[in-house]
Amino acid sequence: AQSVAQPEDQVNVAEGNPLTVKCTYSVSGNPYLFWYVQYPNRGLQFLLKYITGDNLVKGSYGFEAEFNKSQTSFHLKKPSALVSDSALYFCAVRQYGNKLVFGAGTILRVKS
Amino acid sequence: EAQVTQNPRYLITVTGKKLTVTCSQNMNHEYMSWYRQDPGLGLRQIYYSMNVEVTDKGDVPEGYKVSRKEKRNFPLILESPSPNQTSLYFCASSLELTDTYEQYFGPGTRLTVT
Repeated sequence: AQSVAQPEDQVNVAEGNPLTVKCTYSVSGNPYLFWYVQYPNRGLQFLLKYITGDNLVKGSYGFEAEFNKSQTSFHLKKPSALVSDSALYFCAVRQYGNKLVFGAGTILRVKS
Repeated sequence: EAQVTQNPRYLITVTGKKLTVTCSQNMNHEYMSWYRQDPGLGLRQIYYSMNVEVTDKGDVPEGYKVSRKEKRNFPLILESPSPNQTSLYFCASSLELTDTYEQYFGPGTRLTVT
């Protein structure tokens, strides 16, 4: 079965510094990977996805993610964090059909 | 505005009292799904629907029912709620049942069963 793991419950970063939220995956076949963000009292919002092609995927709000097949990772990155980036981030992998399997989530706290 | 709506947003109920959480999308999406979110567990799929009158179980379907009589609506039914169904519920939709389409999520329904 496909799965993803987010090894960090929480990531703290200072505003203006680069941020990384980690995700590793375990899949059979080609992985279809997604990142979603959840702001307080809101639903999940799609950030970006990797289906095929370039290993560096650019998404919404200045976020990008790097697909690394040898390390089975799909880390979310941003060159310069904003306080407004503080939220709960989920990595997900597509399983059969259109089902998404989510990681447990990582809280990102950006301090000014 | 393209969106997925859920009602109610908050609900407190008692064990055994039947309830329905509605979900509606205005994007003409074929695929709809229900998830529950619990701390430390991420989101887990309850049921999904590939199109009208086509539904199937997800990972945690016990205690839930769904129906898809119209393309835009996908209600979640708890016939006899129990405290272990206290959770945050999300409805989601996607254009088609294919690999590449992202899902759009509703704002969530926080359910408490006492």
